[in-house]
Amino acid sequence: EAGVAQSPRYKIIEKRQSVAFWCNPISGHATLYWYQQILGQGPKLLIQFQNNGVVDDSQLPKDRFSAERLKGVDSTLKIQPAKLEDSAVYLCASSFLMGQGGAFFGQGTRLTVV
Amino acid sequence: DQQVKQNSPSLSVQEGRISILNCDYTNSMFDYFLWYKKYPAEGPTFLISISSIKDKNEDGRFTVFLNKSAKHLSLHIVPSQPGDSAVYFCAASSYSGGGADGLTFGKGTHLIIQP
Repeated sequence: EAGVAQSPRYKIIEKRQSVAFWCNPISGHATLYWYQQILGQGPKLLIQFQNNGVVDDSQLPKDRFSAERLKGVDSTLKIQPAKLEDSAVYLCASSFLMGQGGAFFGQGTRLTVV
Repeated sequence: DQQVKQNSPSLSVQEGRISILNCDYTNSMFDYFLWYKKYPAEGPTFLISISSIKDKNEDGRFTVFLNKSAKHLSLHIVPSQPGDSAVYFCAASSYSGGGADGLTFGKGTHLIIQP
């Protein structure tokens, strides 16, 4: 079974530039999550999709972050404009049902804002 | 406000002995708890979970205990092996209500298994 795919693996940008991350979840998983993991911290939920609808985006900084999941499969997370404090690993995860094995994570995209 | 706390940033255990990782939570709405294992440059990998209706769940060398009255859970690894060296994250979710069930994570405990 293929896992959660993310790209790119690494990205370095200057502050005020924009950046986008892509995620392809495990086939058949209706739920998709984006997490932000700052160095030394645990992952923090940014947004949750159920199919192509947003279930929870309460912790998403909506003035600069946006996410979409067209057609209920792949998802894109965008930051525009980036700030230094956005340097982190951005993790995508998917699940069939949280109570059955939790969520499966991709390898993440490490973003460095300079 | 940290709703899931792992107060030990690191833990060193001898190979073959028991490793005990602890986690405390403050949100009474959490009803599902998970442990994830993470190696460097990889995403977290699901290890074991427990529902709030249980107080113990076992899977091979891994056992998770839940004490709801104390809002405390622990992960026991017996016997500890060198491959267990990793960062362990405790996570919690309010999944039974349907809808939003994203995970709230602790900061992690770095487990080091000494030969």
